[in-house]
Amino acid sequence: SQTIHQWPATLVQPVGSPLSLECTVEGTSNPNLYWYRQAAGRGLQLLFYSVGIGQISSEVPQNLSASRPQDRQFILSSKKLLLSDSGFYLCAWNRGEWNSNQPQHFGDGTRLSIL
Amino acid sequence: SQQGEEDPQALSIQEGENATMNCSYKTSINNLQWYRQNSGRGLVHLILIRSNEREKHSGRLRVTLDTSKKSSSLLITASRAADTASYFCATVHTTSGTYKYIFGTGTRLKVLA
Repeated sequence: SQTIHQWPATLVQPVGSPLSLECTVEGTSNPNLYWYRQAAGRGLQLLFYSVGIGQISSEVPQNLSASRPQDRQFILSSKKLLLSDSGFYLCAWNRGEWNSNQPQHFGDGTRLSIL
Repeated sequence: SQQGEEDPQALSIQEGENATMNCSYKTSINNLQWYRQNSGRGLVHLILIRSNEREKHSGRLRVTLDTSKKSSSLLITASRAADTASYFCATVHTTSGTYKYIFGTGTRLKVLA
């Protein structure tokens, strides 16, 4: 069966520090991968998605970047965190098939607090 | 901007009652999905309804879709305290070789025992 892992679960970082959040998927090949941010009590904002190694699409201009160095690994980074980067970050995947009728599968998220 | 908008934003009911939440969207879709999120956790997929379907059932869940009104509703029957969570609709759109999922703002459901 497929599983998705996200870490760390919580992170407290000072303003101006770098960031690296990691997400890995097991049990499937060539998944589509997604990073979302969720503000407290709000919906999900799509940040990045990837359909293959090295292929990253950005949805919102911001202080963050994403990379996909391996098929099932998706990394969210920042060189210098801002207060506005605080939030709940969720990684998700779905099958990399040309079929829209499939669900997304989410990790348990990273709670990021910027001080 | 986000595609889906749910209402109500929050809903509080007694155990055993039915809970209905609604979702509206703006443009044509491939399908619409509903997800559940327990506090501090990731989202879990509940049910998918295709654009050519009008109603779908899964256990205590009933979803309807009206593409002419660009709206959907999720009904949870005989609610339980364990149904307490936030519920999100997501519309799925074709773009640039993949599918994008646009999530709404969610309905926070509280079921009182």
